[in-house]
Amino acid sequence: KNEVEQSPQNLTAQEGEFITINCSYSVGISALHWLQQHPGGGIVSLFMLSSGKKKHGRLIATINIQEKHSSLHITASHPRDSAVYICAVAETSGSRLTFGEGTQLTVNP
Amino acid sequence: ETGVTQSPTHLIKTRGQQVTLRCSSQSGHNTVSWYQQALGQGPQFIFQYYREEENGRGNFPPRFSGLQFPNYSSELNVNALELDDSALYLCASSLIGGSGYTFGSGTRLTVV
Repeated sequence: KNEVEQSPQNLTAQEGEFITINCSYSVGISALHWLQQHPGGGIVSLFMLSSGKKKHGRLIATINIQEKHSSLHITASHPRDSAVYICAVAETSGSRLTFGEGTQLTVNP
Repeated sequence: ETGVTQSPTHLIKTRGQQVTLRCSSQSGHNTVSWYQQALGQGPQFIFQYYREEENGRGNFPPRFSGLQFPNYSSELNVNALELDDSALYLCASSLIGGSGYTFGSGTRLTVV
């Protein structure tokens, strides 16, 4: 079992739909990251969370430390949101990141 | 504020050859981590460098080695390349003890 599990692996939505991507982890963490990766490969950091909820534009990220679960929500999705979304945790035992497998999101016009 | 720059962006090598990948560190960061991302998978931790020394290593063989320089930039060296080494190699800089990371755009290595 992976230390970081994401669901779903693939997600196709119509423009305007509300999207949720989930992440569960099994290790102690100092922070959880939501990252966006476009086909070229470069990774952009969307959020870093250690508790509660953060919002940036149409993106919302939440984390429940007790349940070891986080969600990334996209409101009013748009085709330009199409990318791979990756959850990664910074373990308390060290400063390395452990990544989930990613969720491939495709938003159709 | 400068970001993280990786070079080269793409590279094709033959099995058995050696390769060196480079990564600059974001201004103010003192730690560089390297990750290997195979197609369709999440990145896997290779190692981290801090104060010019290896500061943690993932499950990768010794033919994967690295360096960090006084300006905090870093190199990843892979000897005796194998076909399975074909992947996107990502580096990320951070501040030791911190949780924020800045990623480079990656080097796509193809071994033929």
